[in-house]
Amino acid sequence: SYVLTQPPSVSVAPGETAKINCGGNNIGSKSVHWYQQKPGQAPVLVIYYDSDRPSGIPDRFSGSNSGNTATLTISRVEAGDEADYYCQVWDSSSDHVVFGGGTKLTVL
Amino acid sequence: QLQLQESGPGLVRPSETLSLTCTVSGGSINTGTFYWGWIRQPPGKGLEWIGSVYYTGSTYYNPSLKTRVAISVATSKSHFSLNLSSVTAADTAVYYCARHQTLAAGLAYWGQGTLVTVSS
Repeated sequence: SYVLTQPPSVSVAPGETAKINCGGNNIGSKSVHWYQQKPGQAPVLVIYYDSDRPSGIPDRFSGSNSGNTATLTISRVEAGDEADYYCQVWDSSSDHVVFGGGTKLTVL
Repeated sequence: QLQLQESGPGLVRPSETLSLTCTVSGGSINTGTFYWGWIRQPPGKGLEWIGSVYYTGSTYYNPSLKTRVAISVATSKSHFSLNLSSVTAADTAVYYCARHQTLAAGLAYWGQGTLVTVSS
């Protein structure tokens, strides 16, 4: 089955840029979605179809997808961005949703 | 604004069947071509998709759970349901319901989640 690989943790200072990678075989051929999850809360979609932002999501959040890596980029990181982030695709070869293992973003 | 709300027992005994319902408000299950899904998250762990159902009743399941899962939709009652049979402690998790516009689309709307503990 299709596997998405994320680093367990990423740390960044306030005001800096955080990049969270999501690796998968030829992931560039798939649509990637990203979720933010804060403790005790349901996940929130922050990027869909590789690089689109739902309404209400700050433009500090952006996404890209090419080759074997998709990336969520958070610019001008704030303390409130500290959360777990998950990437997700639909694997059409087996007809199921796949989530990455999640990355904990720590704001130093 | 679309809202989803999970409901069901918070405690299930091993070997029994876990049954949850997701009630949809602010929108209808049978209008629009949407998929309605279940996702779970064991304590301290990541997200796992369980399966999704189309408003017509067609289903898609995680291969690792397929033999134990049944998801159904009750359009006239604006809810959809999850049944997970033969549960063990490994099925202890927060269970979320959610909506996606297509199978390849992101899950744009989520319920708040409900913790189900499997224990005797």
